[in-house]
Amino acid sequence: NAGVMQNPRHLVRRRGQEARLRCSPMKGHSHVYWYRQLPEEGLKFMVYLQKENIIDESGMPKERFSAEFPKEGPSILRIQQVVRGDSAAYFCASSPAPAPAYEQYFGPGTRLTVT
Amino acid sequence: AQSVTQLDSQVPVFEEAPVELRCNYSSSVSVYLFWYVQYPNQGLQLLLKYLSGSTLVKGINGFEAEFNKSQTSFHLRKPSVHISDTAEYFCAVRNDGGATNKLIFGTGTLLAVQP
Repeated sequence: NAGVMQNPRHLVRRRGQEARLRCSPMKGHSHVYWYRQLPEEGLKFMVYLQKENIIDESGMPKERFSAEFPKEGPSILRIQQVVRGDSAAYFCASSPAPAPAYEQYFGPGTRLTVT
Repeated sequence: AQSVTQLDSQVPVFEEAPVELRCNYSSSVSVYLFWYVQYPNQGLQLLLKYLSGSTLVKGINGFEAEFNKSQTSFHLRKPSVHISDTAEYFCAVRNDGGATNKLIFGTGTLLAVQP
């Protein structure tokens, strides 16, 4: 059973470009979470999605950031007009259900560098 | 609001020595508590979790943690560390009964095991 897949693993973008980060949850998992890890900091929650629904986006910046989890295909975290401060590692996690007993399984992350 | 404090950013220790990584949390509601490990350039892996019941929780790789409600702590311990335990360790909390399942992470503790 493959784990959570994220691609690309490394992404370099110039200021003003768009970044698209993909996350394929584990098989059978319908809940996806995105976290951001800035240098020298812990992970910060961004958004929680179920298939076709955003459940909690309280950690998402109000502008330039969006996320989706369509019925088919991976979850996408999209950052428009990137700035240097967006440079970070972005982690996706998935779980089969929201109950607290269900662990969130993390992917290897996408390291975004904005030049 | 919930928060997690990991006071030690780095803990150096010699191989085969015992180690304790400290974690304190702040919350006005019941919480679930977690410890994750992150090896270089990898995602997070769950070490152990406290949901309810016995306050002493045993995890993988010989780690254990004790939940202390009165001191709002969840310190991680291992009686004898190995070189391979060198990694970043994150403590996290999650609301009990909240609509979201987001994890609130501490800033991490780098465990540096020396020969």
